[in-house]
Amino acid sequence: KAGVTQTPRYLIKTRGQQVTLSCSPISGHRSVSWYQQTPGQGLQFLFEYFSETQRNKGNFPGRFSGRQFSNSRSEMNVSTLELGDSALYLCASTGTSGYTGELFFGEGSRLTVL
Amino acid sequence: TQLLEQSPQFLSIQEGENLTVYCNSSSVFSSLQWYRQEPGEGPVLLVTVVTGGEVKKLKRLTFQFGDARKDSSLHITAAQPGDTGLYLCAGGSARQLTFGSGTQLTVLP
Repeated sequence: KAGVTQTPRYLIKTRGQQVTLSCSPISGHRSVSWYQQTPGQGLQFLFEYFSETQRNKGNFPGRFSGRQFSNSRSEMNVSTLELGDSALYLCASTGTSGYTGELFFGEGSRLTVL
Repeated sequence: TQLLEQSPQFLSIQEGENLTVYCNSSSVFSSLQWYRQEPGEGPVLLVTVVTGGEVKKLKRLTFQFGDARKDSSLHITAAQPGDTGLYLCAGGSARQLTFGSGTQLTVLP
């Protein structure tokens, strides 16, 4: 069974630009969540989607947004990039309805903002 | 806001040694999970503990959930270089996990 796939794996942007990251969950998984990982703040929850609806949102500014498609694939977008947005962005999917269960993480998209 | 504090932040030991990593919170969690993350990869779930006082063993790894469900520990016996990685505890629901700051473990051959 294929794992969680994230694209692109690496990207470099400049301040003020925007970026879109993509995540394909494990087949059959309907819940997709996104996390930001930085050396200083660790892993922080961004948002979670289930059946195209955002159910939970972390404490991030409105520049961070996401969506989920009918096939459960998800995208996240960061607009007006800042240097502090440089991070590893991890996507995870789960096959449960959400309260329990294992999160399966992708390898992440490493974003560098110059 | 539920916070999870891990200690130590960094740990470098020789192969064959034992070690314990701690995960503490002032909040009660219905369950805690432990993940391991290797460079260039996403975290991988090691175990989920759900009952206060629960002890789970996974080969050389022993996980314990505190009686009050506010803390957890991970004990590794006879560490091996393959145990090297970032160990993360996490609490909350799968919809929104709160992660600890992590313990970077290096096991030297």
